[in-house]
Amino acid sequence: QSALTQPASVSGSPGQSITISCTGTSSDVGSYNYVYWYQQHPGKAPKLMISDVSNRPSGVSNRFSGSKSGNTASLTISGLQADDEADYYCSSYTSSRTYVFGSGTKVTVL
Amino acid sequence: QVQLVQSGAEVKKPGASVKVSCRASGYTFTGYYIHWVRQAPGQGLEWMGWINPNSGDSKYAQKFQGRVSITRDTSINTAYMELIRLKSDDTAIYYCAKGEGRDSWGQGTLVTVSS
Repeated sequence: QSALTQPASVSGSPGQSITISCTGTSSDVGSYNYVYWYQQHPGKAPKLMISDVSNRPSGVSNRFSGSKSGNTASLTISGLQADDEADYYCSSYTSSRTYVFGSGTKVTVL
Repeated sequence: QVQLVQSGAEVKKPGASVKVSCRASGYTFTGYYIHWVRQAPGQGLEWMGWINPNSGDSKYAQKFQGRVSITRDTSINTAYMELIRLKSDDTAIYYCAKGEGRDSWGQGTLVTVSS
């Protein structure tokens, strides 16, 4: 199972919106609404930001939103803030009853 | 509150085995899957496998088939991940995480494989 494809880096200025893509196949992202997004600050454990494509867990800012079209899922961060600077990973359930992570995207706040 | 507390750092020689524990509290242990994820230094997240603590059923990533075993002890709300025939590129932080969405994570256990 190959990793899902994410851009290596995305950047934006404070207050702007950015979108991170996550491209899989018809065996994972394209077939299931079990797509998750995680934020990871340096030296910390990952934190769940979006579950089931577009659901925000309790306590996660509504500036984070998720969507999916075909084999590609997306995470949008609106009103970019300094603390949003982190690594972001997508993950999907697969037809093999396993999970796969994306390659990761480093978000830089300019 | 939900807590997953992992065992401490390990240093192993190539060819050896390691067993990392993950003690859960603050929720019904048998009600949620436990996943294991690892992260090599400077690298991304890699899913290793899951266990259903209720049934004991487990599933592993193809890459780790035959080398990893995930088990649980429901009497002490603890899950275990054992990795055998360690290689230097198994050096990583190993995390356990709760539920399908992995909504809570352990603090991570650094496993260093070095001769």
